[in-house]
Amino acid sequence: AQRVTQPEKLLSVFKGAPVELKCNYSYSGSPELFWYVQYSRQRLQLLLRHISRESIKGFTADLNKGETSFHLKKPFAQEEDSAMYYCALSGAGGTSYGKLTFGQGTILTVHP
Amino acid sequence: DGGITQSPKYLFRKEGQNVTLSCEQNLNHDAMYWYRQDPGQGLRLIYYSQIVNDFQKGDIAEGYSVSREKKESFPLTVTSAQKNPTAFYLCASKPGRGTGSYNEQFFGPGTRLTVL
Repeated sequence: AQRVTQPEKLLSVFKGAPVELKCNYSYSGSPELFWYVQYSRQRLQLLLRHISRESIKGFTADLNKGETSFHLKKPFAQEEDSAMYYCALSGAGGTSYGKLTFGQGTILTVHP
Repeated sequence: DGGITQSPKYLFRKEGQNVTLSCEQNLNHDAMYWYRQDPGQGLRLIYYSQIVNDFQKGDIAEGYSVSREKKESFPLTVTSAQKNPTAFYLCASKPGRGTGSYNEQFFGPGTRLTVL
């Protein structure tokens, strides 16, 4: 079974401070990990995925298979980063193919 | 803003009534998904369909039904058997294998269902 855990329901930081949203997963195979973001009054959208190894809007996330983690990081938070963030896992094949398992979500608030 | 559309945006239902939520996509995606979003619980998969005329139960399928008669449409019916139907429902679609982003899902704007 695949599972995703985001331990923080709420996270508050001040503008300019570093931010880290935690994500841990459980999956027996080789997973594909994603971060999705939902801004106020907007639809859920992909922020980044581990296979791309890219930085989007200043955010990065590294897959750590030893710690089964995929934490999302940004060195200097901005007010426009305030949103709901979901970590998600997709199995690479078999019956898990294409299915996304989401974490509970973390609401990030960046204060001015 | 095309891509994936869901209607209606808000839906009110009396207890004991069935109601159908619409999801349409013009992205030519093979797979489509229905999720339920509740505060503190993230998104949970209700049903999904990899191809036309085929669909599978997700993690919380009880009290729901779907059909996939056309590639672009994946309606969800919330039946009276669903004990706690008040929630925000999200539809998503995904390209088929062989594309660069084949595991990325694209989401609709959602439908908020309230049972009175």
